[in-house]
Amino acid sequence: EIVLTQFPGTLSLSPGERATLSCRASQSVSSSKLAWYLQKPGQAPRLLIYGASSRATGIPDRFSGSGSGTDFTLIISRLEPEDFAVYFCQQYVSSPGTFGPGTKVDIK
Amino acid sequence: EVQLVESGGGLVQPGGSLRLSCAASGFTFRSYEMNWVRQAPGKGLEWVSYISISGTTIYYADSVKGRFTISRDNAENLVYLQMDSLRAEDTALYYCARGRYCSGGSCFEDYWGQGTLVTVSS
Repeated sequence: EIVLTQFPGTLSLSPGERATLSCRASQSVSSSKLAWYLQKPGQAPRLLIYGASSRATGIPDRFSGSGSGTDFTLIISRLEPEDFAVYFCQQYVSSPGTFGPGTKVDIK
Repeated sequence: EVQLVESGGGLVQPGGSLRLSCAASGFTFRSYEMNWVRQAPGKGLEWVSYISISGTTIYYADSVKGRFTISRDNAENLVYLQMDSLRAEDTALYYCARGRYCSGGSCFEDYWGQGTLVTVSS
């Protein structure tokens, strides 16, 4: 099973700032089968990025994903108030698909 | 608009059973693989089970194998999760989610329901 580690655990930033979130896999995630989700309190996860860098339908371009192999990054170029939430990465290259523990982005 | 609506959660004693349902609408249900993913209170996400388009290929997480059964009804746009021999550690919010780019039961999920809460306690 591929184990995903996310860091930092919590990121405290102000609206308008840039957020950089990291996800590291215990084994190579081939074909960049890595997704990112956002989850707000009391809501279901929402898909942001798949294939490491492809934005899902309706996701604004301030969200960008990059990386390959074992190291992946999600960047939010300028934080909007609605972006303060928990972010999970997920690998879907091998079964079982696994999720990282999440990075909480909160307001500084 | 894609919608997934789960139901069937509740409070059950250890060793008991529940059947979760997920009603899908807004897309051609019979063309998509489906998954159940759960989230224990205050915790992260855990994939539970996958079912193929036809229902003939099924996968389970080791933690539920032999106790949970996934199925689907393509005529009624429904996916089910039969949960038997429930344990305290099965307590979680159970999400139904549409799978994409699946391989060996591993997918990313592009649409999620709002979840149904299962609490296993005496």
